[in-house]
Amino acid sequence: EVQLVESGGGLVQPGASLKLSCVASGFTFSDYWMSWVRQTPGKTMEWIGDIKYDGSYTNYAPSLKNRFTISRDNAKSTLYLQMSNVRSEDTATYYCTRKDIYWGQGVMVTVSS
Amino acid sequence: DIVLTQAPLSVSVTPGESASISCRSSKSLLSSKGITSLYWYLQRPGKSPQLLIYQMSNLASGVPDRFSSSGSETDFTLKISKVETEDVGVYYCGHRLEYPRTFGGGTKLELK
Repeated sequence: EVQLVESGGGLVQPGASLKLSCVASGFTFSDYWMSWVRQTPGKTMEWIGDIKYDGSYTNYAPSLKNRFTISRDNAKSTLYLQMSNVRSEDTATYYCTRKDIYWGQGVMVTVSS
Repeated sequence: DIVLTQAPLSVSVTPGESASISCRSSKSLLSSKGITSLYWYLQRPGKSPQLLIYQMSNLASGVPDRFSSSGSETDFTLKISKVETEDVGVYYCGHRLEYPRTFGGGTKLELK
């Protein structure tokens, strides 16, 4: 059974950094592109970016490219999202997804002082 | 960026009746490979999004055939026939034509 489990969210102050993780199981992680998508409290869905199966290529939403970094560790079947200089508008639930078919349960990030 | 505009914002349906949701794209979603890169998702209350339709008209695995989708290069319609309780939630369209990927604003389906 394919499973994606995100972690690392919580309450963080503006300007801080945070790293989210997504542990995958039930499939060969290194065979698939992976993506991050977030959903704001107002339910707006926003694509953050994706990463090639071997980690050699990434794409980002232009508005997030300078602050967010996607990486992966195929040996650990884990996808990461490094968020830096976070802002209140980064408050959202963050999902990792494989081809939009499989989604994690989501992890909440709240940016507030 | 491609803008996807959904209508209506919400729809209230009697169980057993049909519902339609519209998604309009600011750009043709027809790729050079002849594939229309339009996707539909359902997010049930408290759950993660679920893929319903891929490449405009193909049902994702496990999705009942009460769901169907059609359209042109820029205008698309998701139809739900014989709406059931489990269909309640927010429906989103999205594209995978180019980067950045974008989503519509969502349509909330409720039961009367």
